[in-house]
Amino acid sequence: EVQLVESGGGLVQPGGSLRLSCAASGFTFSAYTMSWVRQAPGKGLEWVSYITTTSSTMYYADSVKGRFTISRDNAENSLYLQMNSLTAEDTAVYYCARVWRPFDCWGQGTLVSVSS
Amino acid sequence: EIVMTQSPATLSVSPGERVTLSCRASRSVSTHLAWYQQKPGQAPRLLIYDASTRATGIPARFSGSGSGTEFTLTISSLQSEDFAVYYCQQYNDWPPWTFGQGTKVEIK
Repeated sequence: EVQLVESGGGLVQPGGSLRLSCAASGFTFSAYTMSWVRQAPGKGLEWVSYITTTSSTMYYADSVKGRFTISRDNAENSLYLQMNSLTAEDTAVYYCARVWRPFDCWGQGTLVSVSS
Repeated sequence: EIVMTQSPATLSVSPGERVTLSCRASRSVSTHLAWYQQKPGQAPRLLIYDASTRATGIPARFSGSGSGTEFTLTISSLQSEDFAVYYCQQYNDWPPWTFGQGTKVEIK
């Protein structure tokens, strides 16, 4: 069974940092590109970042460019999102998603709250 | 960036009714269009990809159609478990991958 499990969310002060993790199982992680998608409370879905299988290429939404860094460890079947200079607008549930055509599998999400 | 617009924002329907949701792209996305279902407190679930192909395990009452800029998700006979928010997403021109704002299907 394909499974994606996010962790690392929590409450952080404005300007702070947080690192999210996504543990993958049930499929050949190294064969798939991956993304992070977020959803602010009561709002819609917003794509955040993307990484290729070998980490050769990464893309970011304009709203997070320069502050967030996506990475992966294929040996550990894990995806990461380093988030710096967080603001209240970054408060959201963050999902990792497997990219196959669209996003065919999603984790359950981890909540990031930015507040003083 | 391709802007995806869904209509209506909310749809009030009774179980057993036929439901049609619309999604429009600001420019052509060919058939690179997906639909997702999201229930409260859950992650989105892929329903339809390539505009009309059902994802694994998705019941036949869900169907998608369209190409270019106009797309439709149809639920032939709404079941109680289908009350949810539905999102469309384009993956023709990326980054960014863009989603519609969602259509909430609620009980009438």
